[in-house]
Amino acid sequence: AQRVTQPEKLLSVFKGAPVELKCNYSYSGSPELFWYVQYSRQRLQLLLRHISRESIKGFTADLNKGETSFHLKKPFAQEEDSAMYYCALSGGRYNFNKFYFGSGTKLNVKP
Amino acid sequence: NAGVMQNPRHLVRRRGQEARLRCSPMKGHSHVYWYRQLPEEGLKFMVYLQKENIIDESGMPKERFSAEFPKEGPSILRIQQVVRGDSAAYFCASSSSPGLASNEQFFGPGTRLTVL
Repeated sequence: AQRVTQPEKLLSVFKGAPVELKCNYSYSGSPELFWYVQYSRQRLQLLLRHISRESIKGFTADLNKGETSFHLKKPFAQEEDSAMYYCALSGGRYNFNKFYFGSGTKLNVKP
Repeated sequence: NAGVMQNPRHLVRRRGQEARLRCSPMKGHSHVYWYRQLPEEGLKFMVYLQKENIIDESGMPKERFSAEFPKEGPSILRIQQVVRGDSAAYFCASSSSPGLASNEQFFGPGTRLTVL
């Protein structure tokens, strides 16, 4: 069955420290992986997707098919990064309309 | 472009009443998705609609829940005879095309349903 797991509900780091938000998935086909972010009092918005292979706001995520992981990383966290982060999976080329979301990780960057 | 609009933002219903949640997609988008988020859980897919068609309703509970996306007007998620377990945040998302190159869903602010 398709599943996205984010093991940490809350992650607290100090400003300037590296941050890694973990995401593991299970899917039988070729999924597309995404990270969505929700800042305080704002709506959910796309942060990055694995097929783009780009860095957004200093964040990167690499799809590791062997470990079925898509961890989100940033070398130096900023206070404005504090938000809820959701890892999501869609069913690839033939089932891309249905997204599966993890339960989210709240990132708190302390000054 | 105002983005995806949902109303109401908060809805309180007593057990047994009906709840109607509305979603207006972004301008130019003809694909709408509904998700439910229970407390302490992630968003769970409910249904995917195009104009006048339900494409995938595999995440919809078998009873009391229905969705539509008419030719004119917003998409409606209807919950009949609500129970306390229906209390959740309901999110709507829209996309212009589910094609591989632009597979991004834009989310509305959500409707928080509370059943007393």
